[in-house]
Amino acid sequence: DAGVIQSPRHEVTEMGQEVTLRCKPISGHNSLFWYRQTMMRGLELLIYFNNNVPIDDSGMPEDRFSAKMPNASFSTLKIQPSEPRDSAVYFCASSPLLDNEQFFGPGTRLTVL
Amino acid sequence: QKEVEQDPGPLSVPEGAIVSLNCTYSNSAFQYFMWYRQYSRKGPELLMYTYSSGNKEDGRFTAQVDKSSKYISLFIRDSQPSDSATYLCAMREAGTYKYIFGTGTRLKVLA
Repeated sequence: DAGVIQSPRHEVTEMGQEVTLRCKPISGHNSLFWYRQTMMRGLELLIYFNNNVPIDDSGMPEDRFSAKMPNASFSTLKIQPSEPRDSAVYFCASSPLLDNEQFFGPGTRLTVL
Repeated sequence: QKEVEQDPGPLSVPEGAIVSLNCTYSNSAFQYFMWYRQYSRKGPELLMYTYSSGNKEDGRFTAQVDKSSKYISLFIRDSQPSDSATYLCAMREAGTYKYIFGTGTRLKVLA
């Protein structure tokens, strides 16, 4: 199995631009999680889905952030408009069920200038 | 005050040493406790998973939870240079799936 796939691996953009991060979970996993990691705040859960349905988005920092899961094999996290303080590594993780082990992708390193 | 506190390190030890990594927390409702290992530029990977209080051992790794003190520990015996990584603790309440992570402790095992 290829594991969780994230794209792009690196993204550099300018303030005000729209950014879309993509995630392909492990086949057969029913739950998907989006995290953001910074030195200051560590790893923070942004939103998670179960069976493609958003369950808890209380970690999404602002309305500029949105996430979708149109099918079991694809999810996006969008930031519009982006700001320098959004610079971080964004991880996607999937698990067979909500309370099972989460498998993390390699992350997308986002830099907003 | 953060819900989960973890010393950022770095912690440097010689090969073969016993390593002790710790987290404290403030939410007495946390029931599930995890330790993750994260290599540089990689995603975290689960090392140990413990429910409620007690000890759990897996090879060279032992996880301890002391709910009365709101304190969890990860011990690594016979540490190896390949154990050099950042170790993250994580925890959640029963009935929720929102994991709260510590900021991580960076460990260096010197050959």
